[in-house]
Amino acid sequence: EVQLVESGGGLVQPGGSLRLSCAASGFTFSNYWMHWVRQPPGRGLEWVARIKSDGSITTYADSVEGRFTVSRDNAKNTLYLQMNSLRAEDTAVYYCTRDCPGGCADYWGQGTLVTVSS
Amino acid sequence: DIVVTQSPDSLAVSLGERATINCKSSQSALYSSDNKNYLSWYQQKPGQPPKLLIFRASTRERGVPDRFSGSGSGTDFTLTISSLQAEDVAVYYCQYHLGTPITFGQGTRLEIK
Repeated sequence: EVQLVESGGGLVQPGGSLRLSCAASGFTFSNYWMHWVRQPPGRGLEWVARIKSDGSITTYADSVEGRFTVSRDNAKNTLYLQMNSLRAEDTAVYYCTRDCPGGCADYWGQGTLVTVSS
Repeated sequence: DIVVTQSPDSLAVSLGERATINCKSSQSALYSSDNKNYLSWYQQKPGQPPKLLIFRASTRERGVPDRFSGSGSGTDFTLTISSLQAEDVAVYYCQYHLGTPITFGQGTRLEIK
């Protein structure tokens, strides 16, 4: 059974940093592109970043480019999102998703809440 | 950037009736190299992550009931629920994913009339 379990969310002050993790199991993690998608409370979905199966290609939404970094450790079956210079508008539930492939998301984690507030 | 617009924003349909949600992208989702549309549909129920329903515009994900269907090509797409069930109450999103940025529609809230 495919499982994606996010962790690392919490309350952080504006300008601060946080690293999210996503532990994957039930599939060959190293074969799949992976994505991060976020959802502000009560609002819609926003794609954040993606990373190729071997980690060689990363792409970001304009809203996070230069502040967030997606990475992966295929030996540990884990996806990461390093978030720096956090802003109030980054407050959201962050989901880890598996690529379909082609850019859609066939499996989603339960999400981890990041709150940026003083 | 690509703009993806769903209509309507909310919809109330009687049980057993048809529900139709539209999605329009500002650029074509059709990839000429494989003739596939990179447009997907998701269902999100309260307190849950989204669930993939339809990918490549019209291919139903495994386990999705056949009352859900997707159609369209290029820039105009439709999600149809042929006979609404109580468990279909949710917010539905379309997603454009031909290249980046991957872009979601704003969502359509579906309720029972």
